Amino acid sequence: ETGVTQTPRHLVMGMTNKKSLKCEQHLGHNAMYWYKQSAKKPLELMFVYSLEERVENNSVPSRFSPECPNSSHLFLHLHTLQPEDSALYLCASSQTGNTEAFFGQGTRLTVV
Amino acid sequence: RKEVEQDPGPFNVPEGATVAFNCTYSNSASQSFFWYRQDCRKEPKLLMSVYSSGNEDGRFTAQLNRASQYISLLIRDSKLSDSATYLCVVMAAGGQNFVFGPGTRLSVLP
Repeated sequence: ETGVTQTPRHLVMGMTNKKSLKCEQHLGHNAMYWYKQSAKKPLELMFVYSLEERVENNSVPSRFSPECPNSSHLFLHLHTLQPEDSALYLCASSQTGNTEAFFGQGTRLTVV
Repeated sequence: RKEVEQDPGPFNVPEGATVAFNCTYSNSASQSFFWYRQDCRKEPKLLMSVYSSGNEDGRFTAQLNRASQYISLLIRDSKLSDSATYLCVVMAAGGQNFVFGPGTRLSVLP
């Protein structure tokens, strides 16, 4: 399935590194999301973009910086992360109007 | 109170069994409801949307009780391939935040 594509699939980074996660959706949706899934915890919403504007930010630390250049692409820029930021980062897209969200395969991030 | 709560599980059932999962939500303004399944180390995938009148898709039946703010998922004739974590998801009207429950782990045993 290639509806929502995330790269890279796996990432190991040091606490002083800067990296970016990329998400691309081919479904013609107008909303995109970043979720974080830590071990044994529910998915946590990080950011929502609708029509390329950020509409929700659930008090995410500034070391995570999203970017949405157009309705098909979403980035998550990472810098000076902490080991507790190690998790599965999932991108999703949907069409606003209460329809379901489709997820990418995620980026498994390990901060060392 | 958490926004979405689910049976803690895990559920270990034999093949062919019927199993039911329960979910409650706290936001009475929620308008859209879904069940997702998530396999180990994979992304969540939509299993079915949940409609007010209830809906069925093969061996899967979803029910919604708005008055009690309760959603259920029934799986009949369980298969080994049904083993996964089942996530209850709600969204408020006009909202853009899919709120996920913690999930209930199901293991179907041979």
